[in-house]
Amino acid sequence: DAGITQSPRHKVTETGTPVTLRCHQTENHRYMYWYRQDPGHGLRLIHYSYGVKDTDKGEVSDGYSVSRSKTEDFLLTLESATSSQTSVYFCAISGTGGNTIYFGEGSWLTVV
Amino acid sequence: EDKVVQSPLSLVVHEGDTVTLNCSYEVTNFRSLLWYKQEKKAPTFLFMLTSSGIEKKSGRLSSILDKKELFSILNITATQTGDSAIYLCAVYSGAGSYQLTFGKGTKLSVIP
Repeated sequence: DAGITQSPRHKVTETGTPVTLRCHQTENHRYMYWYRQDPGHGLRLIHYSYGVKDTDKGEVSDGYSVSRSKTEDFLLTLESATSSQTSVYFCAISGTGGNTIYFGEGSWLTVV
Repeated sequence: EDKVVQSPLSLVVHEGDTVTLNCSYEVTNFRSLLWYKQEKKAPTFLFMLTSSGIEKKSGRLSSILDKKELFSILNITATQTGDSAIYLCAVYSGAGSYQLTFGKGTKLSVIP
């Protein structure tokens, strides 16, 4: 298994509260990604990072921000959670651009 | 806008059957196509295809890419109940943009 740890794995939060999901990798991979997965939509890219402090937006970035201060950690923040952000969030990593990406176990977030 | 379409969306077969899952794509600057298997948690990597006409095999699973007709198929022979999962197709596209675009997946159910 790729050395990817997501935390928390499950969280219930209230609308309007900030939430941070953490992705930690032990593979020293350069590329890290945050995806969300919803019924009927499949996996959609939120943000990705191609190095420390280097990040870019994906397909569904509105309402989300990210930070990467160390190679091993990639944080996803929902500044003010909404019910539409209830989803399963997957972190993924890749050693080189355009190569196979490996997924973490997922974080289930419910916004009530 | 890049597009990846999988068909069928769901499929029910009996153990021992052979199944073919389809993935078609419309992307700019195609780089590679990946197949993943997702059971209850994280997607796990199956194949990466970059060249037309070269079959990749792993046990009872095989996949091939047709870059002229812009599609790929995933074959599973002698299906088992453990093959029940969602199968995801994803495509890398664009120069310098290492983002995967996923299809919505095919849900395969194998019944005894």
